[in-house]
Amino acid sequence: GAVVSQHPSRVICKSGTSVKIECRSLDFQATTMFWYRQFPKKSLMLMATSNEGSKATYEQGVEKDKFLINHASLTLSTLTVTSAHPEDSSFYICSARHRATNEKLFFGSGTQLSVL
Amino acid sequence: GENVEQHPSTLSVQEGDSAVIKCTYSDSASNYFPWYKQELGKGPQLIIDIRSNVGEKKDQRIAVTLNKTAKHFSLHITETQPEDSAVYFCAASRAAGNEKLTFGTGTRLTIIP
Repeated sequence: GAVVSQHPSRVICKSGTSVKIECRSLDFQATTMFWYRQFPKKSLMLMATSNEGSKATYEQGVEKDKFLINHASLTLSTLTVTSAHPEDSSFYICSARHRATNEKLFFGSGTQLSVL
Repeated sequence: GENVEQHPSTLSVQEGDSAVIKCTYSDSASNYFPWYKQELGKGPQLIIDIRSNVGEKKDQRIAVTLNKTAKHFSLHITETQPEDSAVYFCAASRAAGNEKLTFGTGTRLTIIP
């Protein structure tokens, strides 16, 4: 149980294009989903927090118009990197807080984004 | 906000020996402390967690201890195996709803066969 599916696992795109990353909680409902960014050999940096049906809350310094988050249901959240540039290249990871326990956070397998 | 410090940043241990990773936190209101294992190119995997009303928790070869007064908690791995090699992250939060996890900086554990 408690599986979070994230797709795609790897994406290469041209500068200026948009990329959508999906995050699904497969066997549980998530009260809250979180999106992180991770640079090589670094810790996870929280980008935004989202709840189903409401606007995401972005961390300071994260551009909400660049990183669009949609939380359509209790099991699905998407992150769209708009007009991607090489500096957006990174490992993006989603996580979902289990509704039943309201504390345990489970992570997806991550998406490696490379912008050429 | 919460600040979590983690030590050491790298740790090499002979197979079969024990490994200990330590974290400190700053927010006395934090009450949930999970540990994650991350392998290369993958997302973090929850391996054990502890709440502030418990001082110690064990799951087979893994144990976590918490000292609320000193605001530090530790991960103990006994009888280490090569598959324990990974990056380990501690985290802290006020467990509930939208409360975010604050992560430590990670420890790269290498088990030497």
